[in-house]
Amino acid sequence: NAGVTQTPKFQVLKTGQSMTLQCAQDMNHNSMYWYRQDPGMGLRLIYYSASEGTTDKGEVPNGYNVSRLNKREFSLRLESAAPSQTSVYFCASSDRGTSYNEQFFGPGTRLTVL
Amino acid sequence: QKEVEQNSGPLSVPEGAIASLNCTYSDRGSQSFFWYRQYSGKSPELIMFIYSNGDKEDGRFTAQLNKASQYVSLLIRDSQPSDSATYLCAVTRQGQGGKLIFGQGTELSVKP
Repeated sequence: NAGVTQTPKFQVLKTGQSMTLQCAQDMNHNSMYWYRQDPGMGLRLIYYSASEGTTDKGEVPNGYNVSRLNKREFSLRLESAAPSQTSVYFCASSDRGTSYNEQFFGPGTRLTVL
Repeated sequence: QKEVEQNSGPLSVPEGAIASLNCTYSDRGSQSFFWYRQYSGKSPELIMFIYSNGDKEDGRFTAQLNKASQYVSLLIRDSQPSDSATYLCAVTRQGQGGKLIFGQGTELSVKP
């Protein structure tokens, strides 16, 4: 099992460009999450999907959109990138979206917006 | 006040010593508490979780939860240089879809 995979691993964008970060899991998990990690800030939730067909905003959703394509895949789109979106982006999944379920993290995408 | 707070460190301990990592949270509705370890340039990996008051032990790791004081800690016994990493405390609340709320992390350095 690959677990949670993310593509690309690194990306450099210019201000105003758009891109989609891809995430897939092969653990048959129901819930998926997108976080961003900035120095000294821990991880902050951008969007999550409790189950296939549903998505909800997290703590910092502005400037992002998501698509839960199917049970395996959850993508994050930046429509018009800004330097403030320079960050490391982690996708995670869990069996069920309850308080007791461990989240498994992907390797991350390191994004720089110039 | 941040919902989950950790001392960012760095915390430096000698090899073989006990490392004590602390975390406080502000929401009394917090239900489960997770400790993740993150090596530099890598993704977080779960070490332990706890949701009942008291201690929970797993090998060299012990998580301690005190809901009355809104405090959770992680003890690492016989610390090894390979334990050097950032430790992230995270909490969830009931009915919130399993969303994790993270502290800023504590950097631990174990010196040989």
